[in-house]
This record gives sequence, C-alpha cells and structure tokens, in this order.
Amino acid sequence: AQSVTQLGSHVSVSEGALVLLRCNYSSSVPPYLFWYVQYPNQGLQLLLKYTTGATLVKGINGFEAEFKKSETSFHLMKPSAHMSDAAEYFCAVSNTGTYKYIFGTGTRLKVLA
Amino acid sequence: DAGVIQSPRHEVTEMGQEVTLRCKPISGHDYLFWYRQTMMRGLELLIYFNNNVPIDDSGMPEDRFSAKMPNASFSTLKIQPSEPRDSAVYFCASSPGLAGVGEQFFGPGTRLTVL
Repeated sequence: AQSVTQLGSHVSVSEGALVLLRCNYSSSVPPYLFWYVQYPNQGLQLLLKYTTGATLVKGINGFEAEFKKSETSFHLMKPSAHMSDAAEYFCAVSNTGTYKYIFGTGTRLKVLA
Repeated sequence: DAGVIQSPRHEVTEMGQEVTLRCKPISGHDYLFWYRQTMMRGLELLIYFNNNVPIDDSGMPEDRFSAKMPNASFSTLKIQPSEPRDSAVYFCASSPGLAGVGEQFFGPGTRLTVL
C-alpha cells in the first residue's frame, strides 16, 4: 500500500532563510509525486509534480523538489523564504492506473520577520 | 476557465438536517473527487468519479453520506441526517486524467458547521 510521511507538522524559518519541507513515501510501483500549497481559507494549489524524467523538479513561486528513489524522498525546498510563503504544504503520491492521491498530513510553514 | 466551483462556501446547519454540497468541475475533466479536511484527520478522500461513474467510495464514512454526478458538469455530496462530527471543510477537485498525469485542481471548499 502507498503511504506518505511528512516530518514536522510545523516548521518555522526566518525570512530569507532556506525552506526545507520533508516528504517520504512508500510505493510498490513508480510513483507520481506532488506538492500542494494551501493558503488560509483556500483550496489546494499545485506547486510542482514529478512523474518521470528529471529528478529535480521546479515549480511555482521559486520552489523545487528532488525525487530520490534510493531514499524514497521528495523534499520541497526554496532557497530564500518570503513572508508570502506562510501556508500549509501537502505532499501526495499516486501512480499509473489510479488517480487516487494519498496525502501526507501537511506541514504548516511559518515565516518569521 | 473559472476553475472548480463549489457552493455554498459556508453552511451552518443544525444536527439532523439534510445538507447538500455542490460542485462544478472544470470543463473537459473526466475525474471528480470529494475530500473532507479536519484538524484531527487531515485530508481524506471520500469518493471519486470517472466519466460520471463512481469508481471508489471506500472513504465515505457511513450511509448518511451519498454522492451523485448526474452529468459531466455537476456533482453533489449529501449528508442526511447531519451530525456535529461532520463539521469540516469539504473540497471538490477535478482532473483531466492522463493528460494531466494525475494532477488535481481543487475548488475553494465548503466550510460546514453542524450545531
């Protein structure tokens, strides 16, 4: 069965500091991996996704993530945090033949001035 | 495109009442999903449809919940009777299927409060 683990339900960083949100997955078949962001009182918005090909994926708002098969990880990174990045971030996994996502429990990012 | 549209955005009702949540997916998307989000349980998939047909309803909590998709542009999630523990934010999402390689587009959600 597939599963997703997000380490750290809350992460705080200073403005301008590196953002690193961790996601590990388990899947018996090659996964599709996603990061979504949810701003307060809004729906989820896709940040980036990995399907096949290049393992370093770039998304919107300066975010990127690297698929590491050997570590079963798909960590989300941004070199320099901005106040507007404060939100909740969800990692999700699916795979070929199903459109059913398995979501992680989310990481709430707080950016300190 | 206007994106996924959900109505109402907020619903407050009393225990025992029937609640109907509505969703209009993005035109051309073959898949539609209903999720529930709570602090305790996070984001849970309730049911999803492909070409208006329910594919997996294993996440529907109990018989009080039902979902329909009478056509490609409209779906409802009904709770009858409602209970306080149903209070949550309910999201609808749609997906274009293979063309989007599984990407889902979420609506703004309906915040349901059952008193």
